[in-house]
Amino acid sequence: DQQVKQNSPSLSVQEGRISILNCDYTNSMFDYFLWYKKYPAEGPTFLISISSIKDKNEDGRFTVFLNKSAKHLSLHIVPSQPGDSAVYFCAAGTDSWGKLQFGAGTQVVVTP
Amino acid sequence: EAEVAQSPRYKITEKSQAVAFWCDPISGHATLYWYRQILGQGPELLVQFQDESVVDDSQLPKDRFSAERLKGVDSTLKIQPAELGDSAMYLCASSSGTSGGRGDTQYFGPGTRLTVL
Repeated sequence: DQQVKQNSPSLSVQEGRISILNCDYTNSMFDYFLWYKKYPAEGPTFLISISSIKDKNEDGRFTVFLNKSAKHLSLHIVPSQPGDSAVYFCAAGTDSWGKLQFGAGTQVVVTP
Repeated sequence: EAEVAQSPRYKITEKSQAVAFWCDPISGHATLYWYRQILGQGPELLVQFQDESVVDDSQLPKDRFSAERLKGVDSTLKIQPAELGDSAMYLCASSSGTSGGRGDTQYFGPGTRLTVL
């Protein structure tokens, strides 16, 4: 039972343009959400998070939007840079001991 | 910058053999997690420690997997015997645990890539 879904396995975007990554979840108990970035042969690196009491959080070129009624969140990267080429994982947690559920990831390729 | 350390980085073993992975979390982090990531999927939690105590091992296949964190610092994950389906990346993560893990950012190590032949 996959509670966090990233339906786009890959995304190709031109350098300087916007990258939009989407994530859907089914468990209404999730109350915080995170995005991780992963390069090959490395562990995931924390990127940005958002609490369920907010609908937007911004950190530099990265903005996460949360739509609780639609159980949907998205990550916007503006402008996209070649170093952003990586796999991006969406994760969600509940008000418990910090267990995270991860999506399957979206491979982003930023082309010059 | 403090990092989560894992070893070995790569491990190749034959089925029915025993394997062990080691993790050293960021200093001072009370919460430690072991995840398994199968190719093409997201990480899946196997076990979570708060200090030396297990707080969640519901997804750990206990007939063959074991995990310990005896002194509440570093941790070992063992598989015995290994099966072909265990081939995956095994990731360790840690968080400060100041709020029992909830909302804490988890920092991941580089992982151990296990191949079972």
